Amino acid sequence: QKEVEQDPGPLSVPEGAIVSLNCTYSNSAFQYFMWYRQYSRKGPELLMYTYSSGNKEDGRFTAQVDKSSKYISLFIRDSQPSDSATYLCAIGSASKIIFGSGTRLSIRP
Amino acid sequence: DGGITQSPKYLFRKEGQNVTLSCEQNLNHDAMYWYRQDPGQGLRLIYYSQIVNDFQKGDIAEGYSVSREKKESFPLTVTSAQKNPTAFYLCASSTTGGGSGANVLTFGAGSRLTVL
Repeated sequence: QKEVEQDPGPLSVPEGAIVSLNCTYSNSAFQYFMWYRQYSRKGPELLMYTYSSGNKEDGRFTAQVDKSSKYISLFIRDSQPSDSATYLCAIGSASKIIFGSGTRLSIRP
Repeated sequence: DGGITQSPKYLFRKEGQNVTLSCEQNLNHDAMYWYRQDPGQGLRLIYYSQIVNDFQKGDIAEGYSVSREKKESFPLTVTSAQKNPTAFYLCASSTTGGGSGANVLTFGAGSRLTVL
């Protein structure tokens, strides 16, 4: 079993839709939770970072962590074509960071 | 602007040749990392360095070598011993080291290596 599982997609939604991206993880030692966005042929950039259960909001983006279920989500409201990218979840412990395989998202105008 | 510069962006190599990928940062970060990205797989850690003249193997270090002679620079050499070197290589840095999940990583734009 992989330490973090992420649906690779691709996911295609119309502009303005709410997008939900999800990851599950297997080890409760992981305490840090991140979402990175990666445009084609570019390096990932950090979108959201949290270390507690619950929701964290930043503009149109909301990161949700449920430690009891070992489940993390990223919600994108009012999605825009510029949100089309691959989204990588990442989980971290005191000694390492594990990345999900990424979900490819396409927003249709 | 502060950031990480990787070069070259694209590189072609014949089998049996060593190649070196450059990574330079001007963020004054202590820690630097090299990741490999393949389709359908998460980023996999090759090597990381917390301080100058010191580095540790990551999960897939075989066939790779690094050096850290300067704080700003962390070049990666893909040797002929690497059996499947075609991939997208990402360099990253963070303010502190140790590979801890508490660190926020800043990534470069990547280098795509293709073995012919």
